[in-house]
Amino acid sequence: DQQVKQNSPSLSVQEGRISILNCDYTNSMFDYFLWYKKYPAEGPTFLISISSIKDKNEDGRFTVFLNKSAKHLSLHIVPSQPGDSAVYFCAAPKGGGNKLTFGTGTQLKVEL
Amino acid sequence: DVKVTQSSRYLVKRTGEKVFLECVQDMDHENMFWYRQDPGLGLRLIYFSYDVKMKEKGDIPEGYSVSREKKERFSLILESASTNQTSMYLCASIGVGRGANVLTFGAGSRLTVL
Repeated sequence: DQQVKQNSPSLSVQEGRISILNCDYTNSMFDYFLWYKKYPAEGPTFLISISSIKDKNEDGRFTVFLNKSAKHLSLHIVPSQPGDSAVYFCAAPKGGGNKLTFGTGTQLKVEL
Repeated sequence: DVKVTQSSRYLVKRTGEKVFLECVQDMDHENMFWYRQDPGLGLRLIYFSYDVKMKEKGDIPEGYSVSREKKERFSLILESASTNQTSMYLCASIGVGRGANVLTFGAGSRLTVL
């Protein structure tokens, strides 16, 4: 039962352009969302989060948008840089104890 | 900075072997987690511990057990490794009331079962 879904397994973008990574969820009880970035042979690192009381959160080049009615969130990276090439996971807290349920990930490749 | 250390980065084991994956965190965090990452499946929670000697099954606990004898250390045990347990294993921790669900992950342990 995949409650957080990333339907695009991969995305290729040119350097300097915008990258848009999408995430859909099915559980309307989710009230907080996080994005993690993962490089090969490293653990995931926290990137940005958003509470359901907001529809946008921005941190430098990274912006997350939340559309509660559509149960959809997206991560925008502007401008994209080669160092942004990584796997991006969206996640939401499920149950207590800070447990997170993750999406399947999107491999972003930023080309020169 | 919180550090989560997974001592074995790469392991190769044979089917039927007992495997221990060790994880240590240095920030006195109460909650610790074991996830596995597989292509197309994302990160899936295996087990969770919220205190010493306390554990809770995650979404895919079958074939695994855990041990938390000390607060800083959380071990994942494969009693009899099978080829379908070939995966990247990720340990994470978080302190209660801190960081709004922001888990800190270790670098991962890549296990291959032959």
